[in-house]
Formats: sequence, structure tokens, C-alpha cells
Amino acid sequence: GAGVSQSPRYKVAKRGQDVALRCDPISGHVSLFWYQQALGQGPEFLTYFQNEAQLDKSGLPSDRFFAERPEGSVSTLKIQRTQQEDSAVYLCASSLRLAAYNEQFFGPGTRLTVL
Amino acid sequence: KQEVTQIPAALSVPEGENLVLNCSFTDSAIYNLQWFRQDPGKGLTSLLLIQSSQREQTSGRLNASLDKSSGRSTLYIAASQPGDSATYLCAVRNPTRGQNFVFGPGTRLSVLP
Repeated sequence: GAGVSQSPRYKVAKRGQDVALRCDPISGHVSLFWYQQALGQGPEFLTYFQNEAQLDKSGLPSDRFFAERPEGSVSTLKIQRTQQEDSAVYLCASSLRLAAYNEQFFGPGTRLTVL
Repeated sequence: KQEVTQIPAALSVPEGENLVLNCSFTDSAIYNLQWFRQDPGKGLTSLLLIQSSQREQTSGRLNASLDKSSGRSTLYIAASQPGDSATYLCAVRNPTRGQNFVFGPGTRLSVLP
């Protein structure tokens, strides 16, 4: 595909369950970002990868959140022991190069609902 | 800390009107500003990217301006159509914040036929 894809599109979890959200960036894109978007709000930064290196994880809200990109392409965001406040849309974005001047392309998001 | 605000929070206009959406940011030392569109239940679609050295960008019926020194950007939509109904988000990127965007809360636009 030509764009960023994410799976699953929707996820319902019971409180306390672990979840894994997948992002497939645009082929060849070096930078990958995860954002969290609560209902009615703008997205908020979670973490950033440059190839396989996680360069910034300052936005991760707790140590229950973990992200990886082991081969520098596909990324997985894992949330352990989910809580109701984790309910949000999780957006992934990728960018061709390293510089901050480049455009970010977003995927459709995964809507997580924690019951 | 960079903070981004957008006014109005919601806007409803009849089809055919020209309209302006506003974005303000507190730290003017930005790399760039990007306007996005988000349809309900969907991801973000990039509309216009303005680098810090630029004053405006145009694409079709859309024109975005940037006044970096005053911390403001506007998105002008000409001859609005019902298909323009969506939430419009602006986002800025700062050297002190690394590679990521800081987003505003968005303006929810409804264009009535």
C-alpha cells in the first residue's frame, strides 16, 4: 500500500488485559511516531523512532506503555494491564527522512476501548 | 512549553462561504507548522506544511499563512463545500521538542448544503 497502515482498527479490551497495536509505515520512511488522541482532543506525542532506535519516549504516560521497532520498519505499541484511561485512538505517523522539516504522514489509527 | 490553541472550537457555515480558521502557538521558535484534516473515525490527512521561513502555502481552495513572530497561523478556505466538513488541526514542531508535533485541539467545521 501507499500509505501508513495500522491494525487492528478497533480493539476492545477488558481492564487489566495486555494489548498490542501494529503500525506499518510507508516503505523507506526512516522516522516513525506514535500519538495518543483522546476524544475531542488533538493528538499527543508518545514516542519516536529513527530506524530501529527509539530516540524519544518522553510522551509515554507510564511504564505500562512500551514500543518497539526491531527491524526499522514495522512498529508495535504495547500496553500492559490496560486501564480505562487508556481508551483513545492511537495514531502512527511516518516521515521520509530524519530532519524536522519533513512532512509526517498519518495512518487511520487504532481505536482502543477499555471496559 | 509549547502550547497550541485553535479558535473557534466549532464553526457552522452555509455552503459557498469563505472562512478562516485560527491557530496560535506560544513558542515562536518553530521548524514548521502543518495543517491537517480529520474526518470522524479516520486518521489525519495533511493539507499544508509551512516551513518557518515561509509566509504562506496554497493548495486549491486552501491557503495557509504563518506569522511566526506573533505565533499565529490561519487557514483560509474559499467557497466552502459540504465535503469540507471535518475537524481541522494545526500542529507545530520546535527544536526543543525534537521531531514530534504539538497539536492544537482542532476546529470542528460543518458546511451546510
